[in-house]
Amino acid sequence: DVKVTQSSRYLVKRTGEKVFLECVQDMDHENMFWYRQDPGLGLRLIYFSYDVKMKEKGDIPEGYSVSREKKERFSLILESASTNQTSMYLCASSLLRTSGADEQFFGPGTRLTVL
Amino acid sequence: GIQVEQSPPDLILQEGANSTLRCNFSDSVNNLQWFHQNPWGQLINLFYIPSGTKQNGRLSATTVATERYSLLYISSSQTTDSGVYFCAGSGSRLTFGEGTQLTVNP
Repeated sequence: DVKVTQSSRYLVKRTGEKVFLECVQDMDHENMFWYRQDPGLGLRLIYFSYDVKMKEKGDIPEGYSVSREKKERFSLILESASTNQTSMYLCASSLLRTSGADEQFFGPGTRLTVL
Repeated sequence: GIQVEQSPPDLILQEGANSTLRCNFSDSVNNLQWFHQNPWGQLINLFYIPSGTKQNGRLSATTVATERYSLLYISSSQTTDSGVYFCAGSGSRLTFGEGTQLTVNP
């Protein structure tokens, strides 16, 4: 079974802090994704990566950056956290580097609160 | 991008009842997935079904790609089926519908 893990289930940070959310998958998947989920807005894609050291902007990249130094790990970085980044963050991975066609598997999510 | 519409937005059932959830998408997709979001927020994969019919226990799904819709059937519902069900389709990116909030009462 595919396993996607995220470093924290719940996180509380203060405005202006630098925040790292970590995601690890154990199935040698090529693609990794970061989404955020907000009531009334659904799931929205922040960034994705189809290879080590590669990244592509999603629909809402502003205020975020990412890092993929190893194939199995994809990090989401909030350079200076703001209250409007309080959200549920979901990481996903998929096997093949085909354009959106492959099945995505999700981690358990991180509920981030920025005070 | 692709638009994904789910219906109904809310559904309340008694345990043992059957239900059908629908997902319409605005354009051709090469990936169509159904998920169940559990109370802790995790998205559980139910089906990867760009076309055709699949069954897994009490759940089954059908996608008619030419008519741009997919259906999720839940038979003999249980209280543990409660939660939000999402469909998601993609051309180049996975786009999620707004979800169906299912409540199964004992």
